[in-house]
Amino acid sequence: SQKIEQNSEALNIQEGKTATLTCNYTNYSPAYLQWYRQDPGRGPVFLLLIRENEKEKRKERLKVTFDTTLKQSLFHITASQPADSATYLCALDSGYSTLTFGKGTMLLVSP
Amino acid sequence: GAGVSQTPSNKVTEKGKYVELRCDPISGHTALYWYRQSLGQGPEFLIYFQGTGAADDSGLPNDRFFAVRPEGSVSTLKIQRTERGDSAVYLCASSLKLAGGGVNEQFFGPGTRLTVL
Repeated sequence: SQKIEQNSEALNIQEGKTATLTCNYTNYSPAYLQWYRQDPGRGPVFLLLIRENEKEKRKERLKVTFDTTLKQSLFHITASQPADSATYLCALDSGYSTLTFGKGTMLLVSP
Repeated sequence: GAGVSQTPSNKVTEKGKYVELRCDPISGHTALYWYRQSLGQGPEFLIYFQGTGAADDSGLPNDRFFAVRPEGSVSTLKIQRTERGDSAVYLCASSLKLAGGGVNEQFFGPGTRLTVL
């Protein structure tokens, strides 16, 4: 069966450092991979999408990589700020139906 | 422009009762999704509408769960004979995704927190 794994433990980093979150998957061939941010008590908010034929995508301080051979995506936040503290969700998209989400990784950026 | 809205924000009910959860998607979004999220988990897919029809209902856990979208806009998720295990946050999302495939950036509502006592 399809499986998506994200770091289950919270990631604690200091303000100004780069945060790197990992998403691994098995038994799936997504057309796209998406990253969402979720704050407590709120719905997820779309951040970035990367296609299967793209290696890397950037948006401001965010960078996503996608390795379909390793079946892995890395999500980087550079120059992290306390306001970046949230749960980050990886989602696989076949392009035909809905999204399959990972459990998410909580990021805590301390001042 | 308004985002996706969901009502009520909180619903407390007793085991065995019937509940309805409402979702107002972003105007013009033909695709609408329902998810369920338990504490510490990611959203779990329930059902996907393309227009008025359910394009994929494979995530509905059993026949106590049903959803409609009669006019291709507002959707209602209906749960009969609620059980304590149904307690979760129910999220609705909409997107511009077309039936034939394509990019599926989803816009989520704030969710309805359902508690079954």
